[in-house]
Amino acid sequence: LAKTTQPISMDSYEGQEVNITCSHNNIATNDYITWYQQFPSQGPRFIIQGYKTKVTNEVASLFIPADRKSSTLSLPRVSLSDTAVYYCLVGDIEDGSNYKLTFGKGTLLTVNP
Amino acid sequence: SAVISQKPSRDICQRGTSLTIQCQVDSQVTMMFWYRQQPGQSLTLIATANQGSEATYESGFVIDKFPISRPNLTFSTLTVSNMSPEDSSIYLCSVETQGRYGYTFGSGTRLTVV
Repeated sequence: LAKTTQPISMDSYEGQEVNITCSHNNIATNDYITWYQQFPSQGPRFIIQGYKTKVTNEVASLFIPADRKSSTLSLPRVSLSDTAVYYCLVGDIEDGSNYKLTFGKGTLLTVNP
Repeated sequence: SAVISQKPSRDICQRGTSLTIQCQVDSQVTMMFWYRQQPGQSLTLIATANQGSEATYESGFVIDKFPISRPNLTFSTLTVSNMSPEDSSIYLCSVETQGRYGYTFGSGTRLTVV
């Protein structure tokens, strides 16, 4: 899996849009980008996955530039309950022999009132 | 996505004893994964469990310490053997449910060894 780099922590306020950027300079042609969210005392939860351009679901948006060397997870109008650790993972989802998730340190997002 | 029931949710154990953690999934899955998350740290994969075969362990983890059973396509157990305080961690099971890398995790077992 390609190595990823994220900020260790971020602070925000309720109602703001939060953008968390992940660098993955060595991303391979077949690699996808996946984001997970982990609340304290819970297992990680799949948020979103994408390959290029923009992906949006009911929870977040994922922006991937043309060179794919980075990606940005966008959380619209965060609330206190969005305080969590966010992990960015990169890997070839079509490679049947490469199914392992390798978690980096993640980004601790703290949403303040 | 699948629903995972993991038991126990937490336990406090004496050193030298063993604890078996159970993971039940509400649908059949080929692979189940066991992770460890030490306090304040990220997740580390312990092993992959396929039904009908020996589990595959990651570097640094051995079967004698973390024996795994996978009797059917919806259930697995992880045993933490001969525990020491260094084994105090959260242990999580996981299955693939939303395509590759779209995994569902159990809520974890918080283990404290005293």
